[in-house]
Amino acid sequence: SYVLTQPPSVSVAPGQTARITCGGNNIGSKSVHWYQQKPGQAPVLVVYDDSDRPSGIPERFSGSNSGNTATLTISRVEAGDEADYYCQVWDSSSDHHYVFGTGTKVTVL
Amino acid sequence: QVTLRESGPALVKPTQTLTLTCTFSGFSLSTSGMCVSWIRQPPGKALEWLALIDWDDDKYYSTSLKTRLTISKDTSKNQVVLTMTNMDPVDTATYYCARIGSQGLYFDYWGQGTLVTVSS
Repeated sequence: SYVLTQPPSVSVAPGQTARITCGGNNIGSKSVHWYQQKPGQAPVLVVYDDSDRPSGIPERFSGSNSGNTATLTISRVEAGDEADYYCQVWDSSSDHHYVFGTGTKVTVL
Repeated sequence: QVTLRESGPALVKPTQTLTLTCTFSGFSLSTSGMCVSWIRQPPGKALEWLALIDWDDDKYYSTSLKTRLTISKDTSKNQVVLTMTNMDPVDTATYYCARIGSQGLYFDYWGQGTLVTVSS
């Protein structure tokens, strides 16, 4: 089964840059998607296909993917970015074809 | 405008069968490439994919839960139904339905979720 590992938490001051990693075996060969989930709300897609942004998502959100690590970068962090973030890939060989990461809580100091 | 909404019981007893309905609008599940999935999230835990049905009525299940899950669709009603048998307290979670559009393998629209508690 394919496993995606994220750090449990990331803390960042307003205006600074937050980087959230997602580790997986040769994840660079897969397309990675990222979701933001605020308390009590459904997840929202913020980055798809490694680095593309859906309409309405600020340019401050960007993604990269290479080797065994994908990264979601949030530039010029705002208080409203405080949320849980999940990475996701599709893996046909996995028990869960659509695999989610363990999640990262981003705290804005 | 794409919307999805989950409905079903908030409380089920252990061993009972859970039936959840996802009612959607703004797209058709008969359009090539369109899919609807169910995903759950136990309180304080990560997201877990459960099942998917596509425009061609192909169905895919989480291997670990496959024996307990059934997904179906009613295209005329714009609904997708998930049943989960033999419910257990560990199945307590918020259950989401979400759309996969024709362009990728990611969930571009989500319902608001429905909390299901399994308790006697």
